[in-house]
Amino acid sequence: AQTVTQSQPEMSVQEAETVTLSCTYDTSESDYYLFWYKQPPSRQMILVIRQEAYKQQNATENRFSVNFQKAAKSFSLKISDSQLGDAAMYFCANQGGSEKLVFGKGTKLTVNP
Amino acid sequence: DTGVSQDPRHKITKRGQNVTFRCDPISEHNRLYWYRQTLGQGPEFLTYFQNEAQLEKSRLLSDRFSAERPKGSFSTLEIQRTEQGDSAMYLCASSLEWDPRREQFFGPGTRLTVL
Repeated sequence: AQTVTQSQPEMSVQEAETVTLSCTYDTSESDYYLFWYKQPPSRQMILVIRQEAYKQQNATENRFSVNFQKAAKSFSLKISDSQLGDAAMYFCANQGGSEKLVFGKGTKLTVNP
Repeated sequence: DTGVSQDPRHKITKRGQNVTFRCDPISEHNRLYWYRQTLGQGPEFLTYFQNEAQLEKSRLLSDRFSAERPKGSFSTLEIQRTEQGDSAMYLCASSLEWDPRREQFFGPGTRLTVL
């Protein structure tokens, strides 16, 4: 069975600073994908960034980047130059062996002005 | 492209009643997913369709739950004899089978409250 663990229920960051959200996962699949989704308050979930497990290079999307440590089964999200609009719930998710996403419990990110 | 839409956005019902939710995916997407999200938790997978075929169902989908996608376009999720434990946000998502990003696009959800 796949599991995803987010050990930080809440995080806060000052505007313009950098924050890292942690995620660990467990899977028996050799081919899988990892995702970070953002769920703003009362708004729908959107994809932030994705990583294919077979790629060693860490994914980057503008201010968002990941640190993918395959052996450690770790997949952290770094948000640089944090903006007020980054405030949201962030969910780490795994997809492998099936089309379903397995999500962690989420991290609530607060951005302080 | 208007995104994934769900109807209704909110539903309050009494225990024992039946409820039905609708999801309209992005028009060209052939995959459609249902998830359930309770307070303080991440979404949990319920079921997914590829075109009109229901290809996977979670153990969470008890006999009281049924999902359909009769023409491979919109989908309905019905809960019979609702229980208070069914109170949750029901999320629908859609995707394109051959999208290399494997991105699932989520709707705004239907919040169900069972009294």
